[in-house]
Amino acid sequence: SQTIHQWPATLVQPVGSPLSLECTVEGTSNPNLYWYRQAAGRGLQLLFYSVGIGQISSEVPQNLSASRPQDRQFILSSKKLLLSDSGFYLCAWSRLRGGNYGYTFGSGTRLTVV
Amino acid sequence: GQQVMQIPQYQHVQEGEDFTTYCNSSTTLSNIQWYKQRPGGHPVFLIQLVKSGEVKKQKRLTFQFGEAKKNSSLHITATQTTDVGTYFCAGASGGGATNKLIFGTGTLLAVQP
Repeated sequence: SQTIHQWPATLVQPVGSPLSLECTVEGTSNPNLYWYRQAAGRGLQLLFYSVGIGQISSEVPQNLSASRPQDRQFILSSKKLLLSDSGFYLCAWSRLRGGNYGYTFGSGTRLTVV
Repeated sequence: GQQVMQIPQYQHVQEGEDFTTYCNSSTTLSNIQWYKQRPGGHPVFLIQLVKSGEVKKQKRLTFQFGEAKKNSSLHITATQTTDVGTYFCAGASGGGATNKLIFGTGTLLAVQP
């Protein structure tokens, strides 16, 4: 069965510090991968998506970047965090074909920038 | 860009009452999905609707996709405390390899026992 792992679960970082969040998927190959951010009590904002190794599409210009160095690994990074980067970061994967196009989300990382 | 709105933002019901959330997209969708997010948790996929006018049921949950494929609804019959959470619709448009979803604003359901 397919599983998605995201870590860390919680993170408190000072303003101006770097960030690296990692997401890995097991049990499938060539997944579509996504990074979403959810502000407290709000909806999900698509940040980045990837359809293959090294292929990254950015949805919102901001202080963050993403990389996909391996087929089942997706990394969200920042060189210098801002207060506004605080939020709940969710990684997700999906298949394109196979009937079920639903996303499977990781358990998320709660980031607080102080 | 594409926007997906949901109403209401918040609904408080007594256990046993029905609940409905409505989802509207600014563009025609190729499919619509529904997710449930429990407090403190991550969104969990519930269902996908693809065809115009499609209706699907999951036990006490009924999902509809509008004829114009721009709106959808989720109806819960006889709510239970386990139904508490935020319900999101998410729309995909254009197809292609990305399967990119734009999530709605969500409806938070509170159920009082």
